[in-house]
Amino acid sequence: ILNVEQSPQSLHVQEGDSTNFTCSFPSSNFYALHWYRWETAKSPEALFVMTLNGDEKKKGRISATLNTKEGYSYLYIKGSQPEDSATYLCAFIQGAQKLVFGQGTRLTINP
Amino acid sequence: DGGITQSPKYLFRKEGQNVTLSCEQNLNHDAMYWYRQDPGQGLRLIYYSQIVNDFQKGDIAEGYSVSREKKESFPLTVTSAQKNPTAFYLCASRPGRRNTEAFFGQGTRLTVV
Repeated sequence: ILNVEQSPQSLHVQEGDSTNFTCSFPSSNFYALHWYRWETAKSPEALFVMTLNGDEKKKGRISATLNTKEGYSYLYIKGSQPEDSATYLCAFIQGAQKLVFGQGTRLTINP
Repeated sequence: DGGITQSPKYLFRKEGQNVTLSCEQNLNHDAMYWYRQDPGQGLRLIYYSQIVNDFQKGDIAEGYSVSREKKESFPLTVTSAQKNPTAFYLCASRPGRRNTEAFFGQGTRLTVV
């Protein structure tokens, strides 16, 4: 079983504050690392797909970094807004097509 | 419109009955996946398929079976051997190339009484 660990499991942040959370994954036989946002009553939607060590991706106020050698990725949200409230999932692909998810970080933005 | 369709959205079954959950995609994706979510937990991989007529067990395959006879379809059967079948089930697909993300259906909530 591939272990993909996310921390923290939940997070409460004041509107306007910046925050970040972590995804750790096996560093051997790396293929790709995904980040998804999952809002209540919706399906998960992809934020980033990262494939190279040192990758940095950005979409608006959200960015992510990747370190495949040590097996971790960070997701950053700058200036949190209420609409950022969601569960953020990371998923790891090792080797072929097996896509394994972490337990997620549930983010709540307090107005 | 391209997408992934799961049906039904809600499903009730009596204990001891097999039940099949449908997942259809018209995105021409090679890889398809089935996940299960329980309250307070993340997505756990049940089965996945890379190509037609081929599939692999995920981390919690016991009590489940799948088939991949067509590229667009990946049905999941929850058998009577699955001890705790009540859960939320999500189907996903992706093209299969390294830099591609997964797309998800709306999910099926199965309740076994």
